[in-house]
Amino acid sequence: NAGVTQTPKFQVLKTGQSMTLQCAQDMNHNSMYWYRQDPGMGLRLIYYSASEGTTDKGEVPNGYNVSRLNKREFSLRLESAAPSQTSVYFCASSSTGAVLNSPLHFGNGTRLTVT
Amino acid sequence: AQSVTQLDSHVSVSEGTPVLLRCNYSSSYSPSLFWYVQHPNKGLQLLLKYTSAATLVKGINGFEAEFKKSETSFHLTKPSAHMSDAAEYFCVVRQTGTYKYIFGTGTRLKVLA
Repeated sequence: NAGVTQTPKFQVLKTGQSMTLQCAQDMNHNSMYWYRQDPGMGLRLIYYSASEGTTDKGEVPNGYNVSRLNKREFSLRLESAAPSQTSVYFCASSSTGAVLNSPLHFGNGTRLTVT
Repeated sequence: AQSVTQLDSHVSVSEGTPVLLRCNYSSSYSPSLFWYVQHPNKGLQLLLKYTSAATLVKGINGFEAEFKKSETSFHLTKPSAHMSDAAEYFCVVRQTGTYKYIFGTGTRLKVLA
């Protein structure tokens, strides 16, 4: 019963390096999301994908790119990491569409430090 | 755009006393509202969701939330706090007509022995 799987769990980058965070879900959900969590700010939406083949910006998209590789997988890429991107990143998925109150299902997070 | 406001960033209660965590949402014809809990260094777990079928929603671990349209509130309560309830709690709204879920800034609950 995997649910939403994120890799890696921890990562340390130097400023300017790039990396890709991977996310996969096995619940046949249409929509997938990337959030970042910073102290006192809750979770802020970076990008989301309402369905396979579509992606849209959230509240804080600058410095990130995403790819919805297929229905299961949604990756987040940092092209040139900056210290301001030090955060905990969460991937989530939801069975959206006609049902308004479908909840988000979360992965366990990736703790990223940029030095 | 719809949003939620969590009125307290920190709440402290004694074990065995009631818990009240407050959340107000910006008005909408039919909001989709949720509460999530996050224990230290853990992921997020769904506590409960508002379905519009009933204004009082029961969740896991004895938590409840009451939807009050007149007050645009969706406060989370529990009759008796347990040490294991110490965590951060998030109120979440799904914006009507979109696929976006917007989080409040969170309330950290401390339970005193």
